[in-house]
Amino acid sequence: GESVGLHLPTLSVQEGDNSIINCAYSNSASDYFIWYKQESGKGPQFIIDIRSNMDKRQGQRVTVLLNKTVKHLSLQIAATQPGDSAVYFCAENNNAGNMLTFGGGTRLMVKP
Amino acid sequence: NAGVTQTPKFQVLKTGQSMTLQCAQDMNHEYMSWYRQDPGMGLRLIHYSVGAGITDQGEVPNGYNVSRSTTEDFPLRLLSAAPSQTSVYFCASSRGVNTGELFFGEGSRLTVL
Repeated sequence: GESVGLHLPTLSVQEGDNSIINCAYSNSASDYFIWYKQESGKGPQFIIDIRSNMDKRQGQRVTVLLNKTVKHLSLQIAATQPGDSAVYFCAENNNAGNMLTFGGGTRLMVKP
Repeated sequence: NAGVTQTPKFQVLKTGQSMTLQCAQDMNHEYMSWYRQDPGMGLRLIHYSVGAGITDQGEVPNGYNVSRSTTEDFPLRLLSAAPSQTSVYFCASSRGVNTGELFFGEGSRLTVL
């Protein structure tokens, strides 16, 4: 079936290092992907999105890469800070555009 | 702007009871949705609405009803609560269906005994 999933459930990085969170998708027709950050006890917060006509998109300290050939996207966080500790979700917008399908999440832990 | 406001934040129900989770947004967003989040899992879509008077089912709609009488409000009703509905519920809104930038509420934690 069509799904959005994550490779690693937990990622631990040293403060100041770069973080890379991965996500795989199985629907080759998917054309829009989004990353969300969820801090403990809060609702998810939009980070960055990318459409399938792009390979890369940059924001403030974050970069999303999309590899359509292997149906993989990643979220790179530069100079990871303690405030980046959270669960990160990738999500896929279906072709009709009415629903987001979320992956299971990766917990990012930043060590001081 | 308050954004997306959900009430209550916590609720305990007994099996068979009914209740309504309230959701309101003050951003004049057309699109609103309800998700549930279970431990170790991502969010699953329950119901959504693309505008006042229009609702549709998501991935896990059974046991839930919604209505959208105004642009601002999108309540979620549990008709006869079951332990399987123990979860954290999130309401979200966006400007339209073609954007993935959802604005989420803080969540409502529901426990069904």
